[in-house]
Amino acid sequence: DAGITQSPRHKVTETGTPVTLRCHQTENHRYMYWYRQDPGHGLRLIHYSYGVKDTDKGEVSDGYSVSRSKTEDFLLTLESATSSQTSVYFCAISESAGGTNEQFFGPGTRLTVL
Amino acid sequence: GEDVEQSLFLSVREGDSSVINCTYTDSSSTYLYWYKQEPGAGLQLLTYIFSNMDMKQDQRLTVLLNKKDKHLSLRIADTQTGDSAIYFCAENYGGSQGNLIFGKGTKLSVKP
Repeated sequence: DAGITQSPRHKVTETGTPVTLRCHQTENHRYMYWYRQDPGHGLRLIHYSYGVKDTDKGEVSDGYSVSRSKTEDFLLTLESATSSQTSVYFCAISESAGGTNEQFFGPGTRLTVL
Repeated sequence: GEDVEQSLFLSVREGDSSVINCTYTDSSSTYLYWYKQEPGAGLQLLTYIFSNMDMKQDQRLTVLLNKKDKHLSLRIADTQTGDSAIYFCAENYGGSQGNLIFGKGTKLSVKP
């Protein structure tokens, strides 16, 4: 298995509080992605990174920010959590954008916003 | 915009073949993928097919690609209870960052 960990694995928080999810990889892959998974919507891309300090928005970026200060860590921040952000969040990594672009997924973080 | 569609549920009996279908919209996609998600876990890449291929076989898995109709299918031969999972079709929609668009997933239930 690719070396990807996510922390925390589960979190319950209240509306209006800030939340940061961490994705850590030991594969030295350049590309990192944050997705959310919701029933009826499949996986939707929130933000992605194509290198240290290089990030861009995905399909559902509103209410989320990211940071990547080193290759191995990609942080997802909810500045002020809302109930609509209750979801399962997956991090993925990829060695390249071209070729097969195989993405390896972390185990997920289940976030509940009350 | 780009979209990937797949049916949400499929139920088969153990030992039968399963066929999961997917349609996509971006004709410029170079690769199409099938991912598997077991309960409580992340997604794992099962197989992929390059867009200039019509078929790819990998043990019990057969992927068929109809570029004209933008239709992709995954056939699992001799389906086992361990194949019960959610299967996601995905396409890379071009650009330099290799982003993927996923379908909503097909939940495969295998009955003994």
